[in-house]
Amino acid sequence: NAGVTQTPKFRILKIGQSMTLQCTQDMNHNYMYWYRQDPGMGLKLIYYSVGAGITDKGEVPNGYNVSRSTTEDFPLRLELAAPSQTSVYFCASSVSELNTEAFFGQGTRLTVV
Amino acid sequence: QQQVKQSPQSLIVQKGGIPIINCAYENTAFDYFPWYQQFPGKGPALLIAIRPDVSEKKEGRFTISFNKSAKQFSLHIMDSQPGDSATYFCAASRYGNKLVFGAGTILRVKS
Repeated sequence: NAGVTQTPKFRILKIGQSMTLQCTQDMNHNYMYWYRQDPGMGLKLIYYSVGAGITDKGEVPNGYNVSRSTTEDFPLRLELAAPSQTSVYFCASSVSELNTEAFFGQGTRLTVV
Repeated sequence: QQQVKQSPQSLIVQKGGIPIINCAYENTAFDYFPWYQQFPGKGPALLIAIRPDVSEKKEGRFTISFNKSAKQFSLHIMDSQPGDSATYFCAASRYGNKLVFGAGTILRVKS
């Protein structure tokens, strides 16, 4: 039972480069989320999806894009990486957003230099 | 706008002590208050959650106390163990909306 799987675990990017953070879940959850975690700042929601083909912005969406072509996958795209995007990124999923448990992946630590 | 304020930022207790982590919220429409536990290198995991119709909830050594009038809730860890050393996040949400997280508390339990 894999749950939420994120790849890669670590990545170093140069300023201006692009990359995609992968996220897949095998729990058949409709809702998926991307958060970033910065020291002393908690978790900030970047984007979320309520089902295949539907995405919406969270609190801090600038510099990111997402897509949801299947129930299982929810990749996060960084275009033109900036040092401010250095962070730990977490993908999560839940059965619904109606006050149910969110399951998190193990995170991707991204450094932009 | 920080809707959930968490304190303290860090906490050190001796084994067997009772660490207490506090959170305060602003939005009176919030109706779900979970606590997440995160170990180094791992994603957060749900620890315990409460709804505003009760003032206290216990699960094993973990207790949430909830004060609706003060708009505050707290996590107590009874008989704390070194294995409880982790970062703890409180969160809140309104029915049908997304979680808002506190800034986190780094707990260290000394053996």
